[in-house]
Amino acid sequence: GAVVSQHPSRVICKSGTSVKIECRSLDFQATTMFWYRQFPKQSLMLMATSNEGSKATYEQGVEKDKFLINHASLTLSTLTVTSAHPEDSSFYICSASGTGSPNQPQHFGDGTRLSIL
Amino acid sequence: EDQVTQSPEALRLQEGESSSLNCSYTVSGLRGLFWYRQDPGKGPEFLFTLYSAGEEKEKERLKATLTKKESFLHITAPKPEDSATYLCAVRSNDYKLSFGAGTTVTVRA
Repeated sequence: GAVVSQHPSRVICKSGTSVKIECRSLDFQATTMFWYRQFPKQSLMLMATSNEGSKATYEQGVEKDKFLINHASLTLSTLTVTSAHPEDSSFYICSASGTGSPNQPQHFGDGTRLSIL
Repeated sequence: EDQVTQSPEALRLQEGESSSLNCSYTVSGLRGLFWYRQDPGKGPEFLFTLYSAGEEKEKERLKATLTKKESFLHITAPKPEDSATYLCAVRSNDYKLSFGAGTTVTVRA
């Protein structure tokens, strides 16, 4: 149980392209989904928290116009990196928590490796 | 601000050689300490949640313990398949997770 699917697993594209990443909870409903960014040999850094049907809450220093988040249903959240540049290259990971107790663990997708040329 | 520090940064073990990983934390209102395993190029895989000092959880060769300031992940008689990066995270009153940088464990046969 508690499977989170993230797609695509890898993207290579040219500078200036917008890239959409999908995060789905496959066997549970997720009121809240989280988007993280991870640099090599570093910790996961929270970018934003998205709640179904409402606007995402972004962490300090994360550009909301650059990283567009949509959480239209209890099983799907999307992250769109707009006009991506080489400095946006990173490993992006989503996670989801179920609709029960807020103390439930977050379950993670397998991440998306984004490479901007 | 919540802080999580993991040590050591890397650990090389011989198969069968038991050891412990440390996670020290400061948090405003602990709502859970979480251990995850992360394999290269993958997302973190949930292992344990600990909520209060004195609590212990076990899963196969792994055992997690919690005090008011730190948590330990004990690996008993590790096998090569236990090689991974182990991440510790704390959740505070705002329900966000703060992660440590992880301990990369390599178990040689």
